[in-house]
Amino acid sequence: GQNIDQPTEMTATEGAIVQINCTYQTSGFNGLFWYQQHAGEAPTFLSYNVLDGLEEKGRFSSFLSRSKGYSYLLLKELQMKDSASYLCAVSGGYQKVTFGTGTKLQVIP
Amino acid sequence: EPEVTQTPSHQVTQMGQEVILRCVPISNHLYFYWYRQILGQKVEFLVSFYNNEISEKSEIFDDQFSVERPDGSNFTLKIRSTKLEDSAMYFCATHPSGRRADTQYFGPGTRLTVL
Repeated sequence: GQNIDQPTEMTATEGAIVQINCTYQTSGFNGLFWYQQHAGEAPTFLSYNVLDGLEEKGRFSSFLSRSKGYSYLLLKELQMKDSASYLCAVSGGYQKVTFGTGTKLQVIP
Repeated sequence: EPEVTQTPSHQVTQMGQEVILRCVPISNHLYFYWYRQILGQKVEFLVSFYNNEISEKSEIFDDQFSVERPDGSNFTLKIRSTKLEDSAMYFCATHPSGRRADTQYFGPGTRLTVL
């Protein structure tokens, strides 16, 4: 089976850095996704990690440790528009992708 | 930039009726998916589709559900005999490459309300 854990809510200040953690236990592993989802909208792709290490893409970075079943999403220079839910998802089967419940991030002035 | 489109944006139906949700994938994409998200809950995988057949499905995707690509462009999800608990956002997603898992581009979703 698949189990993905991430914090339910986080609050951070505009301009700051925030790290959203995700741990997973899966029967198979192809890769780990991070998505951003604003309320009432579809998920938007942020990153996809297959190998261990840090991948940086502008203000967003994602880290993966397969041996620890752990990932994090790092958001720098937070902006008010970054207030959203951040979804950790694992591709573990042939094509099946399992999502976590998401972390609702509130950015405050 | 090419986008995945879905119609209708909102569907209201009576319990027991059949609904068909439509998706137009990005033209060179090879893999297609349906997900659902009940209000306030997590996104749930329903089914993946490749080379005109189902490649993987979840335990949610029972005989009530079916998918097809009837004309080479649209990708449809049919829900027979809808139930109240089928009320959710249904997202279509596609990805382009030959790899089994890759960046998935989500459509805007169809909100299904079963009364």
